[in-house]
Order: sequence, then C-alpha cells, then structure tokens
Amino acid sequence: AQSVSQHNHHVILSEAASLELGCNYSYGGTVNLFWYVQYPGQHLQLLLKYFSGDPLVKGIKGFEAEFIKSKFSFNLRKPSVQWSDTAEYFCAVINQGGKLIFGQGTELSVKP
Amino acid sequence: GAGVSQTPSNKVTEKGKYVELRCDPISGHTALYWYRQSLGQGPEFLIYFQGTGAADDSGLPNDRFFAVRPEGSVSTLKIQRTERGDSAVYLCASSLKTSGREEQFFGPGTRLTVL
Repeated sequence: AQSVSQHNHHVILSEAASLELGCNYSYGGTVNLFWYVQYPGQHLQLLLKYFSGDPLVKGIKGFEAEFIKSKFSFNLRKPSVQWSDTAEYFCAVINQGGKLIFGQGTELSVKP
Repeated sequence: GAGVSQTPSNKVTEKGKYVELRCDPISGHTALYWYRQSLGQGPEFLIYFQGTGAADDSGLPNDRFFAVRPEGSVSTLKIQRTERGDSAVYLCASSLKTSGREEQFFGPGTRLTVL
C-alpha cells in the first residue's frame, strides 16, 4: 500500500531561517505529489504539486520542492521563512483512483 | 466563486446517536471526496464520488458509515450508532474530475465530537 512519511513532527525556526521539511513516499510507479498547507483556523490549501517534468517545482509564497525519484523523496524548502508561514504542512501522493494519501503532517512554528 | 462548504462546522453528539454531515462542493466539480482527520494525523481517505456514484468507498471504516450524493452535487456522510472513536474532523474536497492530476479543493471541515 502507498504511504507517505514526514519525519519532522514539529519544527521551530526563527524568522529568516531556511526551511526544509522531509517527505518520503512508498510507491514504485508514476507518482503525483503534493504539498498542502493549513494555516491556523483555515482550510487545507495547495502549496505546490509535481506531476512530471522539471523535478524542482515552485509553489506559492516562495516555497519549492524537489522530487528525487531515487530517494522516493519530495522535500519542501523555503530559503527564508516568515512568521506568517506558521502552519501545518502535509505532503501527499495521489493514487490512480484519485484519492490523496497524506503524511502525518509537520507543524511549523516561526518565531518573530 | 464559492469554495467547498460544509455544515455543520461543529457537531457534538452522544455515543450511539446518528449524525449527518453535509458537503456542498464547488459548482461544476464532478468528483467529491470525504476524508477524516484525527488529532495529530494527516487526513485519511474515506470515500469518493464521481458524479452520483461512489467510485471508491474502501476507506470507510465499517458499515456504520455511509455516504450519498444523489444528484451529483451535495453529499451527505452518515454515521450510525456513533462511537467515541469517531470523534475527528471530517473534511470534504472536490475536483473537476479524477484523472489524478486535478487539485482537490478542501472545505473547512466538520468537527465531530462524540461524548
């Protein structure tokens, strides 16, 4: 069965620090990968997605992620975080049936 | 351009009661998904509809859970004989179709508490 693993449960950073959140998936076939973000009190929103092509994908708010097939990874990065990036971040893979399989989430706290 | 809406936003019920949770997807979205998110976990798939039919209900935990989408728009998730373990946030999402490449747009969720 497909699964997604996020290694960091809670990350605390100061503003302007660089961010990298780990995500590994288990699936041998073609994968479509997503990062969703949930700001406090808000809905889940799509941050970025990878379907094919350039393995470095750019999303909203300065976020990017790199798909490394050999490592089954899709890590999320941002060079300089802001207090407003405080949120919970979910990595997900979509299967052929269209359902999203999420990791357990990483809570990011950015100190001003 | 309204997004996905879910009602109620909060539901408190007693063990053994029946509850219905409603999802109103984005107009024109043919695919509709239900997920359940327990505290400290990512959302877990329950069921999805393509049009009026349930295309995949493999995530429903047991036969106390049932969902319908009779007209291919609004969907209702029904839980019979609720148990304390059913307490969670129930999320609904919709997308244009299910080729696997469409963004799923999520609603705000219904927080269900079973006492």
